[in-house]
Amino acid sequence: QQQVKQSPQSLIVQKGGIPIINCAYENTAFDYFPWYQQFPGKGPALLIAIRPDVSEKKEGRFTISFNKSAKQFSLHIMDSQPGDSATYFCAAGNSGNTPLVFGKGTRLSVIA
Amino acid sequence: DAGVIQSPRHEVTEMGQEVTLRCKPISGHNSLFWYRQTMMRGLELLIYFNNNVPIDDSGMPEDRFSAKMPNASFSTLKIQPSEPRDSAVYFCASSPYGGGNYGYTFGSGTRLTVV
Repeated sequence: QQQVKQSPQSLIVQKGGIPIINCAYENTAFDYFPWYQQFPGKGPALLIAIRPDVSEKKEGRFTISFNKSAKQFSLHIMDSQPGDSATYFCAAGNSGNTPLVFGKGTRLSVIA
Repeated sequence: DAGVIQSPRHEVTEMGQEVTLRCKPISGHNSLFWYRQTMMRGLELLIYFNNNVPIDDSGMPEDRFSAKMPNASFSTLKIQPSEPRDSAVYFCASSPYGGGNYGYTFGSGTRLTVV
């Protein structure tokens, strides 16, 4: 119930491509869905987040798509660049006392 | 703000020794979280505090692990005695509010190696 399943584990795309990372959850009480980006040697950093009152949120080249009925959300990176190479984590949480639940992460490599 | 500050950045210790990791959360943040990251298990929540009070320590792997938050600006994670399987990167994160309805700010982590 508390799990967030993330796929794929790793992803290689060419520069300019649109990598898509998917996450699925079971707990319908979740109402906050952030994505974190982690570079080697650094801590995860909040990239973008969505709440279930909208189906899509865009910030720069990063877009979250949210499907409430399917209990799925995904991250799309438009015009990907080698500098986007990092590990991406999805997470889910709610306003209760339960901390964010993180997916296992996706290692993205963008090759020139 | 300098963000979440962790020390040391790297720690190498011998099996059986005591290890203490330190964290200074962002000023004004009421919640603090300790995570452990490994290739096999990903990000594991060890313990979290709201207003300096431990709320859930069910993720602490064994009694060898303990955490304290004596005030709003400082927390420690102690491992005594340390074992090679404790080798991992340990992150501290803070958030303005408790629970999981707001973004967390992570520190840069402490890479622990137990030999």
